[in-house]
Amino acid sequence: EAGVAQSPRYKIIEKRQSVAFWCNPISGHATLYWYQQILGQGPKLLIQFQNNGVVDDSQLPKDRFSAERLKGVDSTLKIQPAKLEDSAVYLCASSLVFYYEQYFGPGTRLTVT
Amino acid sequence: SQQGEEDPQALSIQEGENATMNCSYKTSINNLQWYRQNSGRGLVHLILIRSNEREKHSGRLRVTLDTSKKSSSLLITASRAADTASYFCARSGGGADGLTFGKGTHLIIQP
Repeated sequence: EAGVAQSPRYKIIEKRQSVAFWCNPISGHATLYWYQQILGQGPKLLIQFQNNGVVDDSQLPKDRFSAERLKGVDSTLKIQPAKLEDSAVYLCASSLVFYYEQYFGPGTRLTVT
Repeated sequence: SQQGEEDPQALSIQEGENATMNCSYKTSINNLQWYRQNSGRGLVHLILIRSNEREKHSGRLRVTLDTSKKSSSLLITASRAADTASYFCARSGGGADGLTFGKGTHLIIQP
């Protein structure tokens, strides 16, 4: 079974630039999550989707972050404009049902200079 | 916000010894999950324990849950070098709740 795919794996941008991350979940998983993990901390949930609908985006900084999940499969997370404090690893995860085990992708390490 | 708190923050033991790490949380749970993260394999689910369960085993892993104390522990027996990683507990409130992770315990297994 193929795992969660993410790209790119690494990205370096300057502050105020924009960046986008892509995620392809495990086939058949209706629920998709984006997390932000700052160095030395645990992952922090940004947004979760059920199929192509947003279930919870309460921790997403909506003035600069946006996410979509077209056709209930792939998802993109965008930051525009980026700030220095956005430097982190962005993890995508998927699961069969909301509150059971989640399968994580390898993450995208973002460095904002 | 991160509700789970793992203790200790860091742990170094000799290969073959047992490792115990603890997790505390603040609000009610549907289940509590443990994950491992290392540079090689990323973040991987280890075990899930439901709120009505007290103990669960998986291979060399043993998890306990005390909902009255809002705490859980993860025991790794007969540790191996490959167990070197960060371990996170994650609380799920059920329903449409996502996971709330703690800050993790960094475990180092000395050969």
